[in-house]
Amino acid sequence: DTGVSQDPRHKITKRGQNVTFRCDPISEHNRLYWYRQTLGQGPEFLTYFQNEAQLEKSRLLSDRFSAERPKGSFSTLEIQRTEQGDSAMYLCASSFRVDEQFFGPGTRLTVL
Amino acid sequence: QKEVEQDPGPLSVPEGAIVSLNCTYSNSAFQYFMWYRQYSRKGPELLMYTYSSGNKEDGRFTAQVDKSSKYISLFIRDSQPSDSATYLCAMRDTDKLIFGTGTRLQVFP
Repeated sequence: DTGVSQDPRHKITKRGQNVTFRCDPISEHNRLYWYRQTLGQGPEFLTYFQNEAQLEKSRLLSDRFSAERPKGSFSTLEIQRTEQGDSAMYLCASSFRVDEQFFGPGTRLTVL
Repeated sequence: QKEVEQDPGPLSVPEGAIVSLNCTYSNSAFQYFMWYRQYSRKGPELLMYTYSSGNKEDGRFTAQVDKSSKYISLFIRDSQPSDSATYLCAMRDTDKLIFGTGTRLQVFP
């Protein structure tokens, strides 16, 4: 399977714990995006990388969130001191162009 | 007011029906418009992508953009139970996509 992969698919954690998610994009794609989706809503943009450079961050991305894309390959999204409001599906997408983004299956986070 | 508005449904239709899904938007600068399909607990899948105004057809799917009205549509002909999913419209805003809330569609046999 050469699509976007995300790990883990599900994560349950207690409030206050740190969590880290991984995204492996389609190999030749230079753009990588993180979105967050809550129940009954569309995905909301969090941040975007072109190669290894993080070029844009949403105001949704508080100081507790950090994302990296070392060497322009896979990316990680870390949430520190998780809160119940962080419970959501975290989606990763990759692309050559902004308007043809290919999404992974997502990581579903539940904060108890 | 959200930048992109989409009726959340649910929309329930019999197999074989023509389905019309719609979004309105407020930013006249949007030029690129997409439709994604999302099955339950899966990531969105790109269905159709159009630039500016006009129609685009792909099999049973037709996407329409009316920039003068800030209105986009997705038509599904001969709908099948396998089309049951949430349909998300999306628009390019510089380096990111802005999504509607999605319309849940159920096609019953």
